[in-house]
Amino acid sequence: SAVISQKPSRDICQRGTSLTIQCQVDSQVTMMFWYRQQPGQSLTLIATANQGSEATYESGFVIDKFPISRPNLTFSTLTVSNMSPEDSSIYLCSVRAGGLEKLFFGSGTQLSVL
Amino acid sequence: ELKVEQNPLFLSMQEGKNYTIYCNYSTTSDRLYWYRQDPGKSLESLFVLLSNGAVKQEGRLMASLDTKARLSTLHITAAVHDLSATYFCAVDHSGAGSYQLTFGKGTKLSVIP
Repeated sequence: SAVISQKPSRDICQRGTSLTIQCQVDSQVTMMFWYRQQPGQSLTLIATANQGSEATYESGFVIDKFPISRPNLTFSTLTVSNMSPEDSSIYLCSVRAGGLEKLFFGSGTQLSVL
Repeated sequence: ELKVEQNPLFLSMQEGKNYTIYCNYSTTSDRLYWYRQDPGKSLESLFVLLSNGAVKQEGRLMASLDTKARLSTLHITAAVHDLSATYFCAVDHSGAGSYQLTFGKGTKLSVIP
């Protein structure tokens, strides 16, 4: 399995500002994913962040709004830029670890934008 | 575009009863995941189904996959209160091990005494 730590666990931000969310894994993983869960909704994939390549974004998500870094095999960041209230969501990172078919999820970052 | 539909979206059931949650998806895939989410918590992996006819069981939960019908089921046997949670199914985007998941809307299960 994998232990995934996300920081911060929650934050309240002002409109127009940016927040960087960190995802730290206790083992080296090639595949890492970022998801968004809007209030009371399901999860939507934002982007795939594999080490050694540029992040690939799903339809409706762009790099200028959600820049991602993946400096090594245990760490990634997602930045939510120029925030608006519509960005209020839980953001989760997910990894495939240890060659398992399971995908593990971090504890999430609950973001509220005022 | 891959669509994943779960039903029911809300389920209230009595302890001791059996019930089934259904997950239909719109394009070919042989990888289906079931997750549990408790309020305010992250997702807990329940099952990964990797082939047609796959069946997995853990405690009172049993999941199956029919890739030809594009249908997975999560069967609950003799429900207990501890099973109250939201259950999500998710399908691999490409069906070829991309590990990029499209989730259903979730089924909020309440087990009442």
